Amino acid sequence: DTGVSQNPRHKITKRGQNVTFRCDPISEHNRLYWYRQTLGQGPEFLTYFQNEAQLEKSRLLSDRFSAERPKGSFSTLEIQRTEQGDSAMYLCASSPPGWGLVRETQYFGPGTRLLVL
Amino acid sequence: KDQVFQPSTVASSEGAVVEIFCNHSVSNAYNFFWYLHFPGCAPRLLVKGSKPSQQGRYNMTYERFSSSLLILQVREADAAVYYCASCPVRAAGNKLTFGGGTRVLVKP
Repeated sequence: DTGVSQNPRHKITKRGQNVTFRCDPISEHNRLYWYRQTLGQGPEFLTYFQNEAQLEKSRLLSDRFSAERPKGSFSTLEIQRTEQGDSAMYLCASSPPGWGLVRETQYFGPGTRLLVL
Repeated sequence: KDQVFQPSTVASSEGAVVEIFCNHSVSNAYNFFWYLHFPGCAPRLLVKGSKPSQQGRYNMTYERFSSSLLILQVREADAAVYYCASCPVRAAGNKLTFGGGTRVLVKP
């Protein structure tokens, strides 16, 4: 399977603990996106990488959140001192190089579901 | 604020055509993206673009600020959540703005 993969698929943690999620994009996709989805809502943009550079961050991304893409391939999203409000599905997507509709088209992974107790 | 609007639920009978309407207020956005989402799976792209298009049983209509997804000959297995999304044309990254999702219910 050459789609976007995410690990772990589920994570249960206690409030105050740190968690880290990983995303492996489709090979040769240079853009990588993180979204958060809460119950009954659509995904909301968190941050975006072009190669290894983090080019945009949403206001939803508090200073407890940090994302990296050190070699321009996989990415990690870390949440420090988790809070119950962080409970959500965290989705990763990637898009290929190109212009217009090609680079706007994002392919999603299955997500990591986080539950903070 | 950039927003995308779609109904929360659409119900239909097997074999019928299901239509899900979507409109947006996303500045400088021209393309629509329709995704299908089954619980526990990755959202799957169905159709996309800035003109009417068809992919198998999925048709997309297009107006500048609105689009409809039509599912032809709907089946019970099509019961899922469908998301409409749009994104502005920018030199930087193209973040998608999603609607809240439409749950499609199919009666046998």
